[in-house]
Amino acid sequence: DIQMTQSPSSLSASVGDRVTITCRASQNINSYLNWYQQKPGKAPKLLIYGASRLQSGVPSRFSGSGSGTDFTLTISSLQPEDFATYFCQQSYTTPSPTFGGGTKVEIK
Amino acid sequence: EVQLVESGAGLVQPGGSLRLSCAASGFTFSDYDMHWVRQVTGKGLEWVSVIGTAGDTYFPDSIKGRFTISRENAKSSFHLQMDSLRAGDTAVYYCARGARGVAYVVFDYWGLGTLVTVSS
Repeated sequence: DIQMTQSPSSLSASVGDRVTITCRASQNINSYLNWYQQKPGKAPKLLIYGASRLQSGVPSRFSGSGSGTDFTLTISSLQPEDFATYFCQQSYTTPSPTFGGGTKVEIK
Repeated sequence: EVQLVESGAGLVQPGGSLRLSCAASGFTFSDYDMHWVRQVTGKGLEWVSVIGTAGDTYFPDSIKGRFTISRENAKSSFHLQMDSLRAGDTAVYYCARGARGVAYVVFDYWGLGTLVTVSS
């Protein structure tokens, strides 16, 4: 199985900060990497797919980059509604994807 | 508006069975692969199963042989039959839609989840 490792597991940031979350795959996954946002009690929401493609309706302050084994999710200017947990997911091993452990973004 | 609504939550003893359902609306259900993903409270996400548009099914090795997945296109719903349940199956179970137009698994819509507790 491909292991996905996210870092950090949590972070504290202020509104307006630039936030970067990292996801590392245990082997090459090309660009088959997706990012999701999850708020407490809510369904996960797709943000980025194919490493860098912004899902329709997602604000442009979210961006993704990377290929191979190392990927990043960047929030250019953190907004109050962005405090949530973020997960990466690899789909190189279709149809059996795996997820990272999550990064919780909290208010400083 | 795409909506996915899970049902079938419950408390079951180890070794028991439970059937989850997911009712879909707002899209042509028969055109999409449909998935189950679970989350242990406070932990990460784990993919559980997929049923393709042609009825093909897949499971991870940890679940193969214990769970089955089926779909009813006429009712825009699909189901997860869980047998031989273990304490480690305790989780919130989400149904999710597989996005079209990409040759890899992307979950573009999710339900709110339903809680399965396996305990004596």
